[in-house]
Amino acid sequence: DAGVTQSPTHLIKTRGQQVTLRCSPKSGHDTVSWYQQALGQGPQFIFQYYEEEERQRGNFPDRFSGHQFPNYSSELNVNALLLGDSALYLCASSLYMSALNTEAFFGQGTRLTVV
Amino acid sequence: AQSVSQHNHHVILSEAASLELGCNYSYGGTVNLFWYVQYPGQHLQLLLKYFSGDPLVKGIKGFEAEFIKSKFSFNLRKPSVQWSDTAEYFCAVISTGGFKTIFGAGTRLFVKA
Repeated sequence: DAGVTQSPTHLIKTRGQQVTLRCSPKSGHDTVSWYQQALGQGPQFIFQYYEEEERQRGNFPDRFSGHQFPNYSSELNVNALLLGDSALYLCASSLYMSALNTEAFFGQGTRLTVV
Repeated sequence: AQSVSQHNHHVILSEAASLELGCNYSYGGTVNLFWYVQYPGQHLQLLLKYFSGDPLVKGIKGFEAEFIKSKFSFNLRKPSVQWSDTAEYFCAVISTGGFKTIFGAGTRLFVKA
C-alpha cells in the first residue's frame, strides 16, 4: 500500500522564480493538505484540497497556490520566491468525511532552498 | 486562534530514564489530539491519538499520553526511554468543525546510550 509520495525530494531555486511541488496521497485518501516546516519549527498549515477545491487556508500569502486533480493528487505552487520560503514542504493525506476521527499521513517532504 | 504550546524545545536523557513532554492547546471546544514523531531523516509518523473516551491513551513503542481537559493538556510519557527514541516530537490538535492540524513547535529528544 503506497503511502504519501512527494516529488522532488530536494530543490534549489533563485529568488523571484516559481516552483511547483507534487504530492500523491495515500491510496484511498481523497484530501490533501500542505504544510511548511521551517527549520526548528513545527509544520504550519498552508491549505487543504478536497474535491479539487481549496477548502481551508492558513495564514499564507497569495503567492502560495495549489491544485488538486481528479485522481486526488495535488500540486503546490509558489510564485516570486523569497529567501524566507526556504523550508521543508510537507504533504499530508486523509479522508475528508472522517477527518474528525482520523489522522493525517505525511510524506517525506520536499526540501526547498531559495538562494 | 487555536495554538499548541510545547514546553520543552530540547530534552536530553540517559537510557532508561523516564520521559514526560508537555503540551498545552488553546481552544475552547472539542478537539482531537495527536502526538507525531519524526525520526532523523524520516517522515512524520503518528505516535498516538485521542478522540474520545479514556483520557489515558496508549500508543506505539511504549508511549502514552494523558488528556486533561480542565488543563487543556495532552502530555506525552514513556517510563523508560531508549537510544532509538531520539527524535523530534510534535503535539498537534484538530478542532471539531475544522480539518487542519495545528502543530506545536516540537521537542527534540536526545537519548544518550
